[in-house]
Amino acid sequence: AQTVTQSQPEMSVQEAETVTLSCTYDTSESDYYLFWYKQPPSRQMILVIRQEAYKQQNATENRFSVNFQKAAKSFSLKISDSQLGDAAMYFCAYRVTQTSGSRLTFGEGTQLTVNP
Amino acid sequence: DTGVSQDPRHKITKRGQNVTFRCDPISEHNRLYWYRQTLGQGPEFLTYFQNEAQLEKSRLLSDRFSAERPKGSFSTLEIQRTEQGDSAMYLCASSLSPFYNEQFFGPGTRLTVL
Repeated sequence: AQTVTQSQPEMSVQEAETVTLSCTYDTSESDYYLFWYKQPPSRQMILVIRQEAYKQQNATENRFSVNFQKAAKSFSLKISDSQLGDAAMYFCAYRVTQTSGSRLTFGEGTQLTVNP
Repeated sequence: DTGVSQDPRHKITKRGQNVTFRCDPISEHNRLYWYRQTLGQGPEFLTYFQNEAQLEKSRLLSDRFSAERPKGSFSTLEIQRTEQGDSAMYLCASSLSPFYNEQFFGPGTRLTVL
């Protein structure tokens, strides 16, 4: 069974600084997708960034980038120039590549606080 | 495009009662997912529909839980004989085939069982 682990229950960062959230996963599959989702307080979950396992290049989306280490099964999220609006619960998620289902498996989450 | 909507947003019920939640996916999305999120945890998969067919169910979906998606549009999740352990946020997500497209989440229904 696939598992996703986020070892940092809470993180904090100063506004405009950079923070890295960690995620490791366990799978026997060779082809899969990895995601970071953001869940602001009392608001719905939104996709921040995604990474296809077959791609060696790390994904980037504006201030958000990932460090994908396939052999180590590690997938960290770096947030640059942190803003107050980045404060939220962040979930790492995994999805196997297949034509049916495609359920997401989530980690436990990391609560990010951004200090002004 | 109004996004995924869920109703009600909050539900308080007494143990033993039945509850039903509704999810309206994004209009053209043929895939619909239900997840459950307990406090301080990540969402856990419950079940998945492609159009009107329920194609996958988690072991978490006990026989007290039933989900439907008539006509492949909105979906309902019913919990019979609720227990305190059912207290959680129930999230709905939808996506468009093929499988690699993004899942869009609704705001969730928070269930409290007294």
